[in-house]
Amino acid sequence: EVQLVQSGAEVKKPGESLKISCKGSGYSFSNYWIGWVRQTPGRGLEWMGIIYPGDSDTRYSPSFQGQVTISADSSISSAYLQWSSLKASDTAMYYCARRLGSSGYIEHWGQGTPVIVSS
Amino acid sequence: DIQMTQSPSTLSASVGDRVTITCRASQSINDWLAWYQQKPGKAPNLLIYKASTLESGVPPRFSGSGSGTEFTLTISSLQPDDFATYYCQHYNSYPGTFGQGTKVEIK
Repeated sequence: EVQLVQSGAEVKKPGESLKISCKGSGYSFSNYWIGWVRQTPGRGLEWMGIIYPGDSDTRYSPSFQGQVTISADSSISSAYLQWSSLKASDTAMYYCARRLGSSGYIEHWGQGTPVIVSS
Repeated sequence: DIQMTQSPSTLSASVGDRVTITCRASQSINDWLAWYQQKPGKAPNLLIYKASTLESGVPPRFSGSGSGTEFTLTISSLQPDDFATYYCQHYNSYPGTFGQGTKVEIK
């Protein structure tokens, strides 16, 4: 059974850094594109970016380019989303998601990691 | 970017009702469209891909149709477990935008 298990909830202050994780199991992690989706009440679901763990090919959506960094470690079947300096507007639920190809539909979702950024 | 517009935003219905949700794309996406169901506090879950192909394990009361710019998700007989929010997403090109969602609530 394919599973994507994300790290737990985070509460941070503006300006702090953060790295959240997503561990895949039940499939060959290196061979599937995995990415991140942001969900907020105001903007809904937004695709942030995607990585192919096999060769670390990474693509960002224009709105998120330069704002976050996506990485993966195939040796431990994990993908990461990180921020160097959080803003209040980064408050959201973040889902990792396995996608069919770099631009296909989302086959599997993680359970979500809520991130709250508040002073 | 291709914009996806769902209607209605909210739908009130009763158990047993036939329910239809519409998703319109700002330009043709062929049949590269998926539908997801999201329940409160949970991640979205894939229902349909390629506009009309039912994901394994999804009840046959769900169906999808359409191509080009107009698509529909139909629930033939609404069940208590179906009260949720539904999202369309195109995957004609990267990154693939989502509709704003349709909340199906109890009448």
